[in-house]
Amino acid sequence: EVQLVESGGVVVQPGGSLRLSCAASGFTFDDYTMHWVRQAPGKGLEWVSLISWDGGSTYYADSVKGRFTISRDNSKNSLYLQMNSLRTEDTALYYCAKDIAVVAATGAFDIWGQGTMVTVSS
Amino acid sequence: QSALTQPASVSGSPGQSITISCTGTSSDVGGYNYVSWYQQHPGKAPKLMIYDVSNRPSGVSNRFSGSKSGNTASLTISGLQAEDEADYYCSSYTSSSTLEGVFGGGTKLTVL
Repeated sequence: EVQLVESGGVVVQPGGSLRLSCAASGFTFDDYTMHWVRQAPGKGLEWVSLISWDGGSTYYADSVKGRFTISRDNSKNSLYLQMNSLRTEDTALYYCAKDIAVVAATGAFDIWGQGTMVTVSS
Repeated sequence: QSALTQPASVSGSPGQSITISCTGTSSDVGGYNYVSWYQQHPGKAPKLMIYDVSNRPSGVSNRFSGSKSGNTASLTISGLQAEDEADYYCSSYTSSSTLEGVFGGGTKLTVL
């Protein structure tokens, strides 16, 4: 079964740091671009970051640039999001998502995890 | 990056057709054939319904179709069913400064 399982979401104070993980199974992980997408409570979807199949290219939303770092370990079929200098507006459910295209990045997310909740609050 | 513009809500009766629009700019919707549409039921992860403007993933009903004209993409749902009631989001890439993904604000579809 094709599956993505996120973990690492907790309650953290403003200015704190956190690392999210996403474990992939059921597909050839290192063939695909991977993304992080978040959704604040009661709000819409917001694209956060992407990483190419080989980790050689990364892109970020302006709202997280310089604070978040996306990475992957293809030997462990895992995706990560290091989140630093967290702000209250980063409070959201964080999803990892698989791009539909092999090697390429089309921005179409065909597989989603169940999400992990990050709450930034004092 | 600015979100793509979608109507906040649309509604229709069972059996009818509805269309949801998604308006961007030449730097996103108009500049790429990478427009996607997602369906999200409450408390669930989004589900891909349309990708590359008009392609349906395996398993998605052919009642769902997508198109694009200029800077505006559209999702049409024909033969509305009760289970289609959900939030719908469009997405694209934008190259206004660097390559980034961008979503629309979402549209709540109510089946009357």
